[in-house]
Amino acid sequence: AQKITQTQPGMFVQEKEAVTLDCTYDTSDPSYGLFWYKQPSSGEMIFLIYQGSYDQQNATEGRYSLNFQKARKSANLVISASQLGDSAMYFCALYGATNKLIFGTGTLLAVQP
Amino acid sequence: ETGVTQSPTHLIKTRGQQVTLRCSSQSGHNTVSWYQQALGQGPQFIFQYYREEENGRGNFPPRFSGLQFPNYSSELNVNALELDDSALYLCASSLAIRGTEAFFGQGTRLTVV
Repeated sequence: AQKITQTQPGMFVQEKEAVTLDCTYDTSDPSYGLFWYKQPSSGEMIFLIYQGSYDQQNATEGRYSLNFQKARKSANLVISASQLGDSAMYFCALYGATNKLIFGTGTLLAVQP
Repeated sequence: ETGVTQSPTHLIKTRGQQVTLRCSSQSGHNTVSWYQQALGQGPQFIFQYYREEENGRGNFPPRFSGLQFPNYSSELNVNALELDDSALYLCASSLAIRGTEAFFGQGTRLTVV
């Protein structure tokens, strides 16, 4: 069975500091992808970053980086230099052989000035 | 903006009624997936359409049905609405079945009373 676990229901971070949002996954598929999405209160899911299971390098997109540890089945999102606009729900998602995204329960990030 | 648009943005229906939600996918994207997101939860996969054919379905009853049109836009139909169908419904489009990026629309917030 495929599963995503996000153990942090909520996180606080000071503006301009870095924050790590945890994500662990479980899958038996040899090929899979891991996504992070941001969901502001408006509801839209905003794609942040993608990591393929065979990618040798950790993915980076601007201030976002994905700390991919395949042996530990973790795919943590690191946001550097947090901004007030980063306050939102963050979802980790797994994409495998079933052609669907499996989402975690999310982490609510609050950036404090 | 992702180029994925959903309509309507908000909807209130009475239990037992039927509803149709619409999604216009990003230009060139031939795969559309629908997700249901209950309050405080991560999105749950409903089904996926690829080139007008259903290509995978989640754990949802048959009263949830869909269509994809030749221009790759899509509809989600829900019959015999129940109170628990109240949720944010998200549409995601991607290029090919195992697209490495799925772009979401802003969602339709359905309330069943």
